[in-house]
Amino acid sequence: TQLLEQSPQFLSIQEGENLTVYCNSSSVFSSLQWYRQEPGEGPVLLVTVVTGGEVKKLKRLTFQFGDARKDSSLHITAAQPGDTGLYLCAGGRYNTDKLIFGTGTRLQVFP
Amino acid sequence: KAGVTQTPRYLIKTRGQQVTLSCSPISGHRSVSWYQQTPGQGLQFLFEYFSETQRNKGNFPGRFSGRQFSNSRSEMNVSTLELGDSALYLCASSQGGDIGTDTQYFGPGTRLTVL
Repeated sequence: TQLLEQSPQFLSIQEGENLTVYCNSSSVFSSLQWYRQEPGEGPVLLVTVVTGGEVKKLKRLTFQFGDARKDSSLHITAAQPGDTGLYLCAGGRYNTDKLIFGTGTRLQVFP
Repeated sequence: KAGVTQTPRYLIKTRGQQVTLSCSPISGHRSVSWYQQTPGQGLQFLFEYFSETQRNKGNFPGRFSGRQFSNSRSEMNVSTLELGDSALYLCASSQGGDIGTDTQYFGPGTRLTVL
């Protein structure tokens, strides 16, 4: 059972376009992390959000944690080829000591 | 500071064999977690070790096991390999705090192919 569904699964866009990736669940999470993974490498943490409604910005990337702590979004403004990669959300749940990873969104940005 | 290292990077085995993968965490990190990544199932948690003890475990069969040494280095073992065990195996190290907020640093992974 996949607790965290990401959409879209694949995304191909031109450089300069904006995009949003969604991470949804029917379960409540105590925290939500976003990672980016490039070919041949392990995932790299981009951000952690812990408060419902929280918004964090990292240069052109904006992350939001839903008010009910069941969903999150990642918005990229003016995408660049260097943004290409697999984006993963991961939720930490109350009373467990493990992260649950989302299904992933593979982003390709063409110059 | 050196990152997380995993050896070997690539491995080819046949069904029925066993395999041992190694992970060296970032210096000072006491927690090591192992994950399996496949195109169909995504990234799934195998187990976590902290101070040489298994602290948490995912939903994998007993063929998957691990251990952690006193220097925090960790190994995972898969016995009686099956075709479905073909995957990228990732390890991640952290200081060992709350899993939801503690930053995990991933290694590059070991690509296991079972023929």
